[in-house]
Formats: sequence, C-alpha cells, structure tokens
Amino acid sequence: KAGVTQTPRYLIKTRGQQVTLSCSPISGHRSVSWYQQTPGQGLQFLFEYFSETQRNKGNFPGRFSGRQFSNSRSEMNVSTLELGDSALYLCASSPDRGNNEQFFGPGTRLTVL
Amino acid sequence: AQSVTQLGSHVSVSEGALVLLRCNYSSSVPPYLFWYVQYPNQGLQLLLKYTSAATLVKGINGFEAEFKKSETSFHLTKPSAHMSDAAEYFCAVTGNTGFQKLVFGTGTRLLVSP
Repeated sequence: KAGVTQTPRYLIKTRGQQVTLSCSPISGHRSVSWYQQTPGQGLQFLFEYFSETQRNKGNFPGRFSGRQFSNSRSEMNVSTLELGDSALYLCASSPDRGNNEQFFGPGTRLTVL
Repeated sequence: AQSVTQLGSHVSVSEGALVLLRCNYSSSVPPYLFWYVQYPNQGLQLLLKYTSAATLVKGINGFEAEFKKSETSFHLTKPSAHMSDAAEYFCAVTGNTGFQKLVFGTGTRLLVSP
C-alpha cells in the first residue's frame, strides 16, 4: 500500500497570505489528523477528521481550518499567515477510531516570510 | 488530560552501547503509548506501541519498551546502538477512547558516535 502523501512538500509564503495543504491517507484509512511541528513548541495536535467530520480540535486560532472529503483526503487551510506559522505540518492517517495507530506522511515545510 | 515527559533532550552513546531513552506519562484514562522516530526532513515512523496487551513491547529495528504502570514510565531501549539509529525520538500518549489526538513529548535526539 502507498503511504500517506502530502503536497506540496515545501512552500514559501509571505505574511498575510493564505495557504492550503493537502493530505492523501493510506487507502482504506478513514481518520486523518494534522499536527504542527516547530522547534519551540514541538509537535502539537491541530485537528482530526473522521468520515468528513471534525472529531477533535487542538488549541489553535480560527485561522487554522480543515476539511475532509468523501474519499478521506484532507486539506488544511491557514489564513492570514503569520511568521510564527512557519513549521512542518504533518498529516497522519489511521484505519478507524478504535485503532489509535497513526501513520505519518513526510510533511509540508511551510516558511512564512 | 494527558502529558508526556521525555528526560534528556540529547542522549549520546557509542556504537554498540546500550540505548536508553526515557519517557514518563500522565493520563487520566488507561493510556496507549507510542514511540516514534524522525529522521531529518522526514515524517514520523512508528517504532512500537503499547495498547494494554503485553507490558514488554518489541518494535522495529531491535527497539523495545516496557510499560510500568507503577512508575508511569515507558522507556525505550536497544541493546546495541548502530550509527543508523541517530535520529530524534518522540514518545506519545493517547487515551483508549477512540479519538486520535496524540500528545507528544519534546523529543530526544540520539547521537551515535563510532
């Protein structure tokens, strides 16, 4: 099976812009979670989607949003980018809510100038 | 609420030496515990997981971890370090509630010298 794929792998934006990141889970996986990784804050949970519904949300401002499509693919959007949004954004997929093993993609490295 | 504490942001060992990376957890519900490894410019790879079955868990690449409820610990060990083990290691916890939120520790960078 193909692993979790994320596009793009690298992205450079300027403050005030918005960005959309994409994640394709492993085939058959219905849960997709997003994490932000920064040197200062480490790995932090953004949100989790299951069957197109947001099931859980981390402590991030409303500028961070996401959605999941019927084929389980997910996107996250960050509006009005700030310098502090520069990070590695990781997507993880899992077969279902009862199985807590998550498989991570390679991440999207976002740089905000 | 759940949290994880990883003692030591950096651990240095010689090739062939024992690797011991420490993780202590706090959880208000029975925990599921994980160790992930991250190589430079890559995502996270699952090394092993504890989900309330055997307390001694064996993972990939010769790693293992033991769940000790009395000590709230889940330390990662490997008998003999290889140069290829140099990476960052993260301990993570989640509850067995079905939600997928992983709470990570701050990570431990393992340095392996020849």
